[in-house]
Amino acid sequence: DQQVKQNSPSLSVQEGRISILNCDYTNSMFDYFLWYKKYPAEGPTFLISISSIKDKNEDGRFTVFLNKSAKHLSLHIVPSQPGDSAVYFCAASVRGGANNLFFGTGTRLTVIP
Amino acid sequence: EAGVAQSPRYKIIEKRQSVAFWCNPISGHATLYWYQQILGQGPKLLIQFQNNGVVDDSQLPKDRFSAERLKGVDSTLKIQPAKLEDSAVYLCASSLGDTRETQYFGPGTRLLVL
Repeated sequence: DQQVKQNSPSLSVQEGRISILNCDYTNSMFDYFLWYKKYPAEGPTFLISISSIKDKNEDGRFTVFLNKSAKHLSLHIVPSQPGDSAVYFCAASVRGGANNLFFGTGTRLTVIP
Repeated sequence: EAGVAQSPRYKIIEKRQSVAFWCNPISGHATLYWYQQILGQGPKLLIQFQNNGVVDDSQLPKDRFSAERLKGVDSTLKIQPAKLEDSAVYLCASSLGDTRETQYFGPGTRLLVL
């Protein structure tokens, strides 16, 4: 049972525009959410996180929004750059859990120069 | 600071053979994780160690998979015997602790079982 879902396998955006990647989850025990970025032949790299007590967290060009009532989060990248082209994974962990992460299936972002 | 090291990077074996993967975490990281990532899916946790003790191995197929972390540093993951469906990338990650600590991933070992 996939508890974290990324329904868009791919996304293409023009350089300089906004990229919006979406993620939905089903487990109401999740209280910490993360985005990881992955380049080919490399392991995932941590990008940004958000706790369930917040609805927004910003770090430079990256902002994550959390809508707990909808069990939905999104990652906004503004402005998008060609170097942002990668696979983005949404992940979540359980309140009081042992920090093991539940990952979505990923969205491949292509930023077109 | 050196990242998480894994070897080998690639491995091709035939079904029913055995294989082992090695991981060296970031120095000082107490928690070590092994994930399996099947093509088209996200990583799935197989086992989590805190120092040299197992925290969670509920998703580890224990009839064929085993893992150990001797002395609380390096870790090995073994598959014996391998099945076709074990073809995947095996990712090792480490973190300072086990509570909301960022996990740092190695490059992974890509396994193909023929």
